[in-house]
Amino acid sequence: DTGVSQNPRHKITKRGQNVTFRCDPISEHNRLYWYRQTLGQGPEFLTYFQNEAQLEKSRLLSDRFSAERPKGSFSTLEIQRTEQGDSAMYLCASSLAGRDNYGYTFGSGTRLTVV
Amino acid sequence: AQSVAQPEDQVNVAEGNPLTVKCTYSVSGNPYLFWYVQYPNRGLQFLLKYITGDNLVKGSYGFEAEFNKSQTSFHLKKPSALVSDSALYFCAVIHGSSNTGKLIFGQGTTLQVKP
Repeated sequence: DTGVSQNPRHKITKRGQNVTFRCDPISEHNRLYWYRQTLGQGPEFLTYFQNEAQLEKSRLLSDRFSAERPKGSFSTLEIQRTEQGDSAMYLCASSLAGRDNYGYTFGSGTRLTVV
Repeated sequence: AQSVAQPEDQVNVAEGNPLTVKCTYSVSGNPYLFWYVQYPNRGLQFLLKYITGDNLVKGSYGFEAEFNKSQTSFHLKKPSALVSDSALYFCAVIHGSSNTGKLIFGQGTTLQVKP
């Protein structure tokens, strides 16, 4: 296991199109987090899963955003009807519940550009 | 509300000189504090953490940080900077009794080390 994997690394899409990103966490990690990072800002929490259950969603996650984690393994983040304001780096991280104080492992991110 | 502040957008230091990147936090209860580094178009790499115990923690690549409870600070330090240390640095906090393990990030500080 080489860590948290995110695909694609880059995505350019036209405004109004739908996009989907994938995150494969470290296999033994039961928690998975999505963050969004815009230029010049720190990452902002979007949502997290424990196993397959989505336990918290940020107000940043509008109804155009949906995340899933079927079977508690990989996760997908879908953005419908993309807008230019969605352009950002989308980061995924995983951890083991109860050991979050040891920190997460982050993926390399998916950079989305909406034109 | 929990928050993290990094008061400097950019820190410039000459190679070989000591560096400090500042971080202050606001959280109720005991904090878990982290430093991450981000290179261009990459995800976040873990540097070090404070959970409990000694206030001075040592991390990767010769970095260290000192937890100061009275000043609610967790400044990142290195005795001798390298050009390769040039990157974006983020301080982050988890509330000690948080059930979610959600990280709250500062806005980041760009470290520029000049030869």
